[in-house]
Amino acid sequence: SQQGEEDPQALSIQEGENATMNCSYKTSINNLQWYRQNSGRGLVHLILIRSNEREKHSGRLRVTLDTSKKSSSLLITASRAADTASYFCATDARYGGSQGNLIFGKGTKLSVKP
Amino acid sequence: NAGVTQTPKFQVLKTGQSMTLQCAQDMNHEYMSWYRQDPGMGLRLIHYSVGAGITDQGEVPNGYNVSRSTTEDFPLRLLSAAPSQTSVYFCASSYSLAGGVEQFFGPGTRLTVL
Repeated sequence: SQQGEEDPQALSIQEGENATMNCSYKTSINNLQWYRQNSGRGLVHLILIRSNEREKHSGRLRVTLDTSKKSSSLLITASRAADTASYFCATDARYGGSQGNLIFGKGTKLSVKP
Repeated sequence: NAGVTQTPKFQVLKTGQSMTLQCAQDMNHEYMSWYRQDPGMGLRLIHYSVGAGITDQGEVPNGYNVSRSTTEDFPLRLLSAAPSQTSVYFCASSYSLAGGVEQFFGPGTRLTVL
């Protein structure tokens, strides 16, 4: 079962605009990560935010985390056509005897038009 | 560094056939995992390993076997393929399971079971 659920499922914007994607999750977490997947490729890690952090920046990316609402958002500023991809949030989970495996949401498909 | 490599890239099987999906990493990572990705879905964890000789089940382990005899390799075996196993399979690795660290993904194997 998926822990994280991204919203919207799909987003289409013009180059230069900002893109905001949201992720909601169900249980308490230690950290939350965002990944990007280009069509037909594996996932690439973008950013990790820990449960005691509220905001984090990396280049054109800004991630926020609200543990009281069990939600996170990913903002991509000044988007480019190369940002076209699917974006997934992932939270840590326990399977078997180990904590730390990732549970992924279904993703937001972002299309940036030139 | 080749990172995480997977072979084959594509495979077509008939129902009941068996095969092994190969995964290797050259980053000396302790943690390795297998995910499957179905259309419009996020990734679901099949099996994972926290070190050579140690494996455990994820969310959807039925129909799959794994073993980890070396740090570098983590093959996924389908003993008797079923159409429900048609999917894209991703292998991932990270240096640790604990503490929230990024995972590195392979390019994926696209499997079709007829």
